[in-house]
Amino acid sequence: DTGVSQDPRHKITKRGQNVTFRCDPISEHNRLYWYRQTLGQGPEFLTYFQNEAQLEKSRLLSDRFSAERPKGSFSTLEIQRTEQGDSAMYLCASSPTGGELFFGEGSRLTVL
Amino acid sequence: AQTVTQSQPEMSVQEAETVTLSCTYDTSESDYYLFWYKQPPSRQMILVIRQEAYKQQNATENRFSVNFQKAAKSFSLKISDSQLGDAAMYFCAYRSAPGNQFYFGTGTSLTVIP
Repeated sequence: DTGVSQDPRHKITKRGQNVTFRCDPISEHNRLYWYRQTLGQGPEFLTYFQNEAQLEKSRLLSDRFSAERPKGSFSTLEIQRTEQGDSAMYLCASSPTGGELFFGEGSRLTVL
Repeated sequence: AQTVTQSQPEMSVQEAETVTLSCTYDTSESDYYLFWYKQPPSRQMILVIRQEAYKQQNATENRFSVNFQKAAKSFSLKISDSQLGDAAMYFCAYRSAPGNQFYFGTGTSLTVIP
């Protein structure tokens, strides 16, 4: 049983660099979500895909953030010109239509 | 946007005892889903239990049960016979029935004392 996988698990980068995270959802799930989580907080919604279409994006999301899901399979989340405030855990989750979220283990970003 | 409130940042319970975690939410919708997720330290978040708003019967999953009070917009989680492995962050979440977004509370950190 393959769950949601995320890569890399940890990323340390310098301010101003670009980073990219990858998420492989459960294969039969058509929905894919990206969340950001900081210490002591609940997951904060970033964006959501149904198949390859990005249907919703948080208004709080800076234009330095971009996400793709080509062919409705894996997804990537890119952060350009990283800032220290971007340091967080980035969670990916997938779900079937109408179902609950299945989370990956997350990608922890540290911006120095 | 809907809001989910967890007013207990930290809770503790003696092993084998029962603990209840609180959650309230704000919505004007009549049809929605509620969830409790568990996030152990450095591990992925997993679903504990879900409740459909149209169901009057409270959901149960083994040692986990909920007290769903729709009029009060309250959704508490009861953990019976607490075990060391129950120690984790617990998040309450809301999703409207036709919607796609999940809204999470800020979490409750549960410590289980041996």
